[in-house]
Amino acid sequence: AQTVTQSQPEMSVQEAETVTLSCTYDTSENNYYLFWYKQPPSRQMILVIRQEAYKQQNATENRFSVNFQKAAKSFSLKISDSQLGDTAMYFCAFMKKLVLARRDDKIIFGKGTRLHILP
Amino acid sequence: GAGVSQSPSNKVTEKGKDVELRCDPISGHTALYWYRQSLGQGLEFLIYFQGNSAPDKSGLPSDRFSAERTGGSVSTLTIQRTQQEDSAVYLCASSKSWGGGTDTQYFGPGTRLTVL
Repeated sequence: AQTVTQSQPEMSVQEAETVTLSCTYDTSENNYYLFWYKQPPSRQMILVIRQEAYKQQNATENRFSVNFQKAAKSFSLKISDSQLGDTAMYFCAFMKKLVLARRDDKIIFGKGTRLHILP
Repeated sequence: GAGVSQSPSNKVTEKGKDVELRCDPISGHTALYWYRQSLGQGLEFLIYFQGNSAPDKSGLPSDRFSAERTGGSVSTLTIQRTQQEDSAVYLCASSKSWGGGTDTQYFGPGTRLTVL
């Protein structure tokens, strides 16, 4: 069974600083996706970034980037130039790559990291 | 619609009553998922639908929980004889079918259920 571990329950950083959120996972699969979701106080889960395991290049989305280490099963999220609006719960998630003949795309979530951006 | 919508946004009920939670997925998305998020916890998978069928019901916590989806669109999650431990935020997500090429799940705002 797959598991996702986020070892930092809570973090605080000053606005404009860079912060890195850790995520490790355990799987025997070779083809899969990894995600970071953001959940602000509004509860809306928002996809921040996604990585396909077969791609060696780390995904980036504006101020958000990942450090994907497949051998180490590590998938950390870096937020550069952090902003007050980045304050939220951040969830790391894993999903097996779909098999055409059998659909099994359950996402496995970590327990989250609560990030506070301080003014 | 532009995104996944859920109703009601908040529901307070008395122990033992039945509740229905509704999810309206993104238009064109054939896959629909229900999750439960308890206070301070991550997301717990409950059930997913591909079209109107639910091939994976393994996450439903008890037989008091059921879900249906009709017309390949709106889904209803029903909790019978609610218990206090059912209090949580219930999140719905949808994604395109495999033929659509993307596996990303898009989430609704959730329904916060409080059982007194």
